[in-house]
Amino acid sequence: KQEVTQIPAALSVPEGENLVLNCSFTDSAIYNLQWFRQDPGKGLTSLLLIQSSQREQTSGRLNASLDKSSGRSTLYIAASQPGDSATYLCAVKDSSYKLIFGSGTRLLVRP
Amino acid sequence: GAVVSQHPSWVICKSGTSVKIECRSLDFQATTMFWYRQFPKQSLMLMATSNEGSKATYEQGVEKDKFLINHASLTLSTLTVTSAHPEDSSFYICSALLRGISNQPQHFGDGTRLSIL
Repeated sequence: KQEVTQIPAALSVPEGENLVLNCSFTDSAIYNLQWFRQDPGKGLTSLLLIQSSQREQTSGRLNASLDKSSGRSTLYIAASQPGDSATYLCAVKDSSYKLIFGSGTRLLVRP
Repeated sequence: GAVVSQHPSWVICKSGTSVKIECRSLDFQATTMFWYRQFPKQSLMLMATSNEGSKATYEQGVEKDKFLINHASLTLSTLTVTSAHPEDSSFYICSALLRGISNQPQHFGDGTRLSIL
């Protein structure tokens, strides 16, 4: 059974700092991996999607990497801003096309 | 980009009431939609997979008679929480897959906060 773990569970950083969020999964037979942002009481916003054959994806200040063999992905946020404060979720799509979510990292960027 | 609309965004009702939540894909056809449940400060748990024109597939532990799912068209899936009780209070979110394209991102609605008194 696929399990997705995110570390740390919570993170507080000063504005401007670069930071890394970690995601690990137990079964490397994934279809793709997706990073989401969730604001309190809101739905999910897709940030980056990495196919199983890809190593990384970039969008603006965000960069996500994927090492399928070791079951790890990282989300790198450069020059963090208070507006980046949210919960970040990673999810892997397994062979049955279901998304399995991690428990999230709650990020607070202090002005 | 692809948009998924979920309605209503917030429901408060009495115990024993049945509540229907709609999930619509606004600018694309979705053969598959997913329903998730999220408790406070927890992650999303998949409840069921809804396929257009066929019965939904429920995850283990999810009561299909309690959570009725209908996917009558390529743009609409509904989740009905029957005879809701306080323990059903949660945040329900749907997502949709672009028709025939399983390696594309899943697009999520804004969620429905259900509070049962």
